[in-house]
Amino acid sequence: QSVLTQPPSVSGAPGQKITISCTGSSSNIGAGYYVHWYQQLPGAAPKLLIYDTVNRPSGVPDRFSGSRSGTSASLAITGLQGEDEADYYCQTHDSSLSGLVVFGGGTKLTVL
Amino acid sequence: QVQLVESGGGVVQPGRSLRLSCVASGYTFRNYGMHWVRQAPGKGLEWVAVIWYDGSKRYYTDAVKGRFTISRDDSKNTLYLQMNSLRVEDTAVYYCARDPGDNGNFYFDYWGQGTLATVSS
Repeated sequence: QSVLTQPPSVSGAPGQKITISCTGSSSNIGAGYYVHWYQQLPGAAPKLLIYDTVNRPSGVPDRFSGSRSGTSASLAITGLQGEDEADYYCQTHDSSLSGLVVFGGGTKLTVL
Repeated sequence: QVQLVESGGGVVQPGRSLRLSCVASGYTFRNYGMHWVRQAPGKGLEWVAVIWYDGSKRYYTDAVKGRFTISRDDSKNTLYLQMNSLRVEDTAVYYCARDPGDNGNFYFDYWGQGTLATVSS
């Protein structure tokens, strides 16, 4: 059971917009800790997609964006493309746990 | 360019040990904290351990405390994970990852390709 809750799956047609939610609590996202997002293509290592809640690393298209509201964060993908089909994970820190890093359970994005 | 290359995975029996290595290149290794993150087959990501850029602090997830040890050798640009008393549930792909964050803001900007550790009798 992950501390951060993500929907197991989302889907969308090419060109559409989808959002992936990451729901936490007052001891992690709600406490103001930064949220980070990773994309994991099939058979590959994870790749940093969004850092510090809203920032994109160099090379990540501006179709990807991050936001936060209260105890939740979201990843939005606009202009959906077939190459976006992957697993997506959110990550942050939780002050109530002895571990320093927590991940969401992951969301499988299917491009229809 | 930044590269992280893991090695050392394999098949071991429960109770035995493995040492994973991660060789870094393309940046100044001693300036960055480093992590191990694992992924059990068909499952999500699980953080395992972190070591500070200067080796002064190390932290572990509860599931591996007392069994795993993270260390680094800056002269060899290498990160290690010594895994003792292995359990079946430790079976996973283990990734090393670089941490560019500061002030306790941990995240991972570069990842290795992973090395598979299988614990089975």
